[in-house]
Amino acid sequence: AQKVTQAQTEISVVEKEDVTLDCVYETRDTTYYLFWYKQPPSGELVFLIRRNSFDEQNEISGRYSWNFQKSTSSFNFTITASQVVDSAVYFCARPDHGSSNTGKLIFGQGTTLQVKP
Amino acid sequence: EPEVTQTPSHQVTQMGQEVILRCVPISNHLYFYWYRQILGQKVEFLVSFYNNEISEKSEIFDDQFSVERPDGSNFTLKIRSTKLEDSAMYFCASNGVNNYGYTFGSGTRLTVV
Repeated sequence: AQKVTQAQTEISVVEKEDVTLDCVYETRDTTYYLFWYKQPPSGELVFLIRRNSFDEQNEISGRYSWNFQKSTSSFNFTITASQVVDSAVYFCARPDHGSSNTGKLIFGQGTTLQVKP
Repeated sequence: EPEVTQTPSHQVTQMGQEVILRCVPISNHLYFYWYRQILGQKVEFLVSFYNNEISEKSEIFDDQFSVERPDGSNFTLKIRSTKLEDSAMYFCASNGVNNYGYTFGSGTRLTVV
């Protein structure tokens, strides 16, 4: 399987700080998709974003932004002005089979973010 | 917004017992999956299902596991003889291709005692 690496196991910040979660992926494919999911303490997996490799523009959604760099195979996630409710485990993932967005997802190890008041 | 529904949310079972985890995928989705997450670890793929058959399975998905789509709406995961190491959160997901991709259910926490 093509790996997804989230090197940061745990990050702790104080509310209102900005925080960036790193994701590095392996790929042998020309086209591929990347995902981020949030897993709050309640345990469910919440979809945050899907990107395809054709689109290298950074994306912003409220306090969330994503920086996609094909040259370094990275898809980093930044939360601006973090809030306590952002405390969760965040997973980066990609389908194992190239341009498919229906094949099995390969997840990174996850980064546990703790936002303190 | 359409959801993937999983039942039960938590199940406790004795080692050696059979369990069936149930999922109702989003109605117009065509691809279905089961994933597992042992406590504190990453989410691992178990099996994918398309066109009424398994399209891919992982090494974890051995003969003790089976999946079924019995009635066109439910998608089930059966573990025939549970082991202690089967204790985990099990997630069902479905995918309709033309939307944002994979939608996950809230999970079933299986505890084998």
